[in-house]
Amino acid sequence: KAGVTQTPRYLIKTRGQQVTLSCSPISGHRSVSWYQQTPGQGLQFLFEYFSETQRNKGNFPGRFSGRQFSNSRSEMNVSTLELGDSALYLCASGWGGENTEAFFGQGTRLTVV
Amino acid sequence: GDSVTQMEGPVTLSEEAFLTINCTYTATGYPSLFWYVQYPGEGLQLLLKATKADDKGSNKGFEATYRKETTSFHLEKGSVQVSDSAVYFCALRASYNTDKLIFGTGTRLQVFP
Repeated sequence: KAGVTQTPRYLIKTRGQQVTLSCSPISGHRSVSWYQQTPGQGLQFLFEYFSETQRNKGNFPGRFSGRQFSNSRSEMNVSTLELGDSALYLCASGWGGENTEAFFGQGTRLTVV
Repeated sequence: GDSVTQMEGPVTLSEEAFLTINCTYTATGYPSLFWYVQYPGEGLQLLLKATKADDKGSNKGFEATYRKETTSFHLEKGSVQVSDSAVYFCALRASYNTDKLIFGTGTRLQVFP
């Protein structure tokens, strides 16, 4: 059974540009969550989607957005990139119900120069 | 708000030593608790979980017991191996209708032969 797949694995962007990251969940999973991991702030929750609806949102500026498609695949977009957006972005998928766990992808390493 | 506090690292041990990584939490309801492990350059892997008070999660020789009276979920292993060297994250999920996780800051474990 395939795990959570994130593409691309590595990305280098310039300040002011925008970027789109992709996440394909485990087959059958309907919940997708995104996290930002940095050495200074640790793991911070960005947002969660369930059946194409945003169910929860973290404390990030509006430059960070996401969406989920009918096949549960999800994308997150960051516009007007800043140096501080350099991070490992992790996607997790789950069934979205009681007593279930989240399974993580390997992440996308974004570097903003 | 809900939060997780982990002991600062790094934790440095010799092979076959006993491991404890402390984790305490603050939550208003009845959270589920998790330990995740992250190896260099990788995403997060679920190590173990517990969904209600007094539950014991266990996997690969690691154990943690959900203690509601002390709001703790300490990770233990009786005999660590060099291959256990990684960063360990304690996390909680606050309610059943979300997959959103709140993480501790992570504890780096280094095991030497």
